[in-house]
Amino acid sequence: EVQLVESGGGLVQPGGSLRVSCAASGFTFSSHTLSWVRQASGKGLEWVSTISGSGANTYYADSVKGRFTISRDNSRNTLYLQMNSLRVEDTAIYYCAQETPVTPFEHWGQGTLVTVSS
Amino acid sequence: DVVMTQTPLSLSVTPGQPASISCKSSQSLLHRDGKTYLYWYLQKPGQPPQLLIYEVSNRFSGVPDRFSGSGSGTDFTLKISRVEAEDVGLYYCMQSILLPYTFGQGTKMEIK
Repeated sequence: EVQLVESGGGLVQPGGSLRVSCAASGFTFSSHTLSWVRQASGKGLEWVSTISGSGANTYYADSVKGRFTISRDNSRNTLYLQMNSLRVEDTAIYYCAQETPVTPFEHWGQGTLVTVSS
Repeated sequence: DVVMTQTPLSLSVTPGQPASISCKSSQSLLHRDGKTYLYWYLQKPGQPPQLLIYEVSNRFSGVPDRFSGSGSGTDFTLKISRVEAEDVGLYYCMQSILLPYTFGQGTKMEIK
């Protein structure tokens, strides 16, 4: 059974940094592209970033480009999102999601809440 | 960016009655490989989204057959033949023909 468990969320001041993680199990980690998708409270879904299975290719939404860095450790089956220069508008639940041949986001974690506030 | 526009943004349905949600994309989602990269997700309260339909009309594993998807090019529809109480939540369409992947605004379905 595929499991994705996010962690690392919390309260951070504007301009600060935070790293969230996603621990994966139940599938061959290095074979799957993974993504981060976020959802502000009461708002819709926003794709944030995607990384290929090897980690060689990464993609970002314009809203986070230059501030966020996606990475993965295939030896630890863990996905990361390093978030720098955080803004109030980055406040959201951050979900990690697994790509399969069916869809870019087939399996989702339960999410971790990031709150950017002074 | 491909803009996804859903209508209505909310609907209230009596159990056993049908429901329909429209999704329009700002450009065609038909890829040169012949596939159309349009998906439907349902986000139940307090949960992450779950996949209902992929590539316009294919029901995902375990999805009841009361859910169906149709459409082509830029116009798509999700239909529920007979709404049940467990269908309450937010419905999103999504495209993956181009990065950034984009979602519709969401349609909130309530049960009368």
